[in-house]
Amino acid sequence: GESVGLHLPTLSVQEGDNSIINCAYSNSASDYFIWYKQESGKGPQFIIDIRSNMDKRQGQRVTVLLNKTVKHLSLQIAATQPGDSAVYFCAEAHDSGYSTLTFGKGTMLLVSP
Amino acid sequence: DTEVTQTPKHLVMGMTNKKSLKCEQHMGHRAMYWYKQKAKKPPELMFVYSYEKLSINESVPSRFSPECPNSSLLNLHLHALQPEDSALYLCASSQDEVGELFFGEGSRLTVL
Repeated sequence: GESVGLHLPTLSVQEGDNSIINCAYSNSASDYFIWYKQESGKGPQFIIDIRSNMDKRQGQRVTVLLNKTVKHLSLQIAATQPGDSAVYFCAEAHDSGYSTLTFGKGTMLLVSP
Repeated sequence: DTEVTQTPKHLVMGMTNKKSLKCEQHMGHRAMYWYKQKAKKPPELMFVYSYEKLSINESVPSRFSPECPNSSLLNLHLHALQPEDSALYLCASSQDEVGELFFGEGSRLTVL
């Protein structure tokens, strides 16, 4: 999650590859972690979440891994498709609610056919 | 209906204009939010309404004035904005202040 000014970190993959997007979060007291996908011209869309008492959660084609020791979150997308091209944000929150939600800096995923 | 609807999608205004952004949801959610998003940056929280009452104001300048007329509607009134206020304004809602956060597609604001 280093700041790169106006340039988002970008991950370029081929269709069918597996993608891994990483995120370093800042608050060791966060209880809840979410990955959002934001396509061009649209609002963020919920992908998958994980609570701090878990280290792995699987959805359809997506897996989120949480390593609390090093405050690291990753999103794995299996068999990446062109429709997965978007900016992906990790976010962290406390159990007290979404008013505490803080977004990470985002990674652009580009999938070529 | 799992949508958050925002209007207008695009708005261009001068620094002396008064305009409003509107947001509507019919999911029965009791928490609604305004976020501001600059290009290539993450969304930043501006306001939170919980049960139609303003619960969070993240030190937003008074030229932005939120309003929650009822549990389904959220407005953002704009007055005397600056060019640096140009951004994508996102509305979101959630059941109470927990549970999945649903975002609208945003209103892209340009201040000349």
